[in-house]
Amino acid sequence: GAVVSQHPSWVICKSGTSVKIECRSLDFQATTMFWYRQFPKQSLMLMATSNEGSKATYEQGVEKDKFLINHASLTLSTLTVTSAHPEDSSFYICSARDQGGYETQYFGPGTRLLVL
Amino acid sequence: EDQVTQSPEALRLQEGESSSLNCSYTVSGLRGLFWYRQDPGKGPEFLFTLYSAGEEKEKERLKATLTKKESFLHITAPKPEDSATYLCAVGQLTFGSGTQLTVLP
Repeated sequence: GAVVSQHPSWVICKSGTSVKIECRSLDFQATTMFWYRQFPKQSLMLMATSNEGSKATYEQGVEKDKFLINHASLTLSTLTVTSAHPEDSSFYICSARDQGGYETQYFGPGTRLLVL
Repeated sequence: EDQVTQSPEALRLQEGESSSLNCSYTVSGLRGLFWYRQDPGKGPEFLFTLYSAGEEKEKERLKATLTKKESFLHITAPKPEDSATYLCAVGQLTFGSGTQLTVLP
């Protein structure tokens, strides 16, 4: 149980294009999903908290217009990196919290983004 | 502001050599301390949640303990497949920088 998937697992794109990453909770419903970014040999950096049916809450320093988050259902959240640039290249990881009430987050396998 | 500090940054053990990883934290109202394992290029894998001082949880060769200021992840007789980065987190949103564990055969 508590499986979270991400798609795609890796993506290469040209500078200026937009990339959409999907995060799905496969066997539970998640009212809250989180998006993280991780640079090599560094820990997770929270980007935003995604709540089903409402606007996402972004951490300080994260551009809302650059990283668009949509949480349209209890099992799906999407992160769109708009007008991607090489500095956006990173490992993006989502997590989901079971709405059953416990605090534990379950993480997806991550998406490696490379912007050329 | 919640803070999490993990030590050591890196640890190399021989197979079978038991040791402990440390996670020191400061938080305004603990809503759980979480341990995760992360393999290179993958998302973190949930290991344990601890909620109150004195609580202990075990899973195979791993045992997590919690006090009011820190948590330990004890690894008993580790195997090479235990090699990974171990992350702890508090309040769901604050992660430590991790301990990179390497177990040599």
